[in-house]
Amino acid sequence: SQKIEQNSEALNIQEGKTATLTCNYTNYSPAYLQWYRQDPGRGPVFLLLIRENEKEKRKERLKVTFDTTLKQSLFHITASQPADSATYLCALRSSGSARQLTFGSGTQLTVLP
Amino acid sequence: DTAVSQTPKYLVTQMGNDKSIKCEQNLGHDTMYWYKQDSKKFLKIMFSYNNKELIINETVPNRFSPKSPDKAHLNLHINSLELGDSAVYFCASSRRAEGTEAFFGQGTRLTVV
Repeated sequence: SQKIEQNSEALNIQEGKTATLTCNYTNYSPAYLQWYRQDPGRGPVFLLLIRENEKEKRKERLKVTFDTTLKQSLFHITASQPADSATYLCALRSSGSARQLTFGSGTQLTVLP
Repeated sequence: DTAVSQTPKYLVTQMGNDKSIKCEQNLGHDTMYWYKQDSKKFLKIMFSYNNKELIINETVPNRFSPKSPDKAHLNLHINSLELGDSAVYFCASSRRAEGTEAFFGQGTRLTVV
């Protein structure tokens, strides 16, 4: 069955360090992968999309990598700040006509001042 | 202007009741979704819908039914509510094209007592 796993439920890091979050998937052949941020009491907000032919994508302090051989995406936040504390979700579209957007379980990141 | 709006934000109701949650998007998107987020924060797809097809996740009880009066609205009807239906329900929308992100509403916290 198709599965999306984010390797840790919670991650605590010190302000200024780089946070690295992992998303692994099985039984998908995604053309692209998305990352979202969710704050408490709010809906997820789109951050970045990376396509299968892109190894790396950057947006300000965010960097995403996509390894279709390892079936893994890494999400990095450099020079992390307490305001980066949130839950981060990766998402893939399932194959076939349905192509529903399916999310991983999320990683709750806390950046400590 | 809010892109995806849901009402109500909070809903408390008794077991056995029938309730509806409304969702509207003003983005001109042709695909809308309903997600359920449980107490463990896992975001699970329930339905995806555009004007041509409704895709129902096989684990969704038939007490749940989406109804779309027009392209900008996808309401969620729930019959005979059960305690286990308590969760946060998110509506989302996207363009159908590949590589497009989803926009989420602020969520409806449903509590069944």
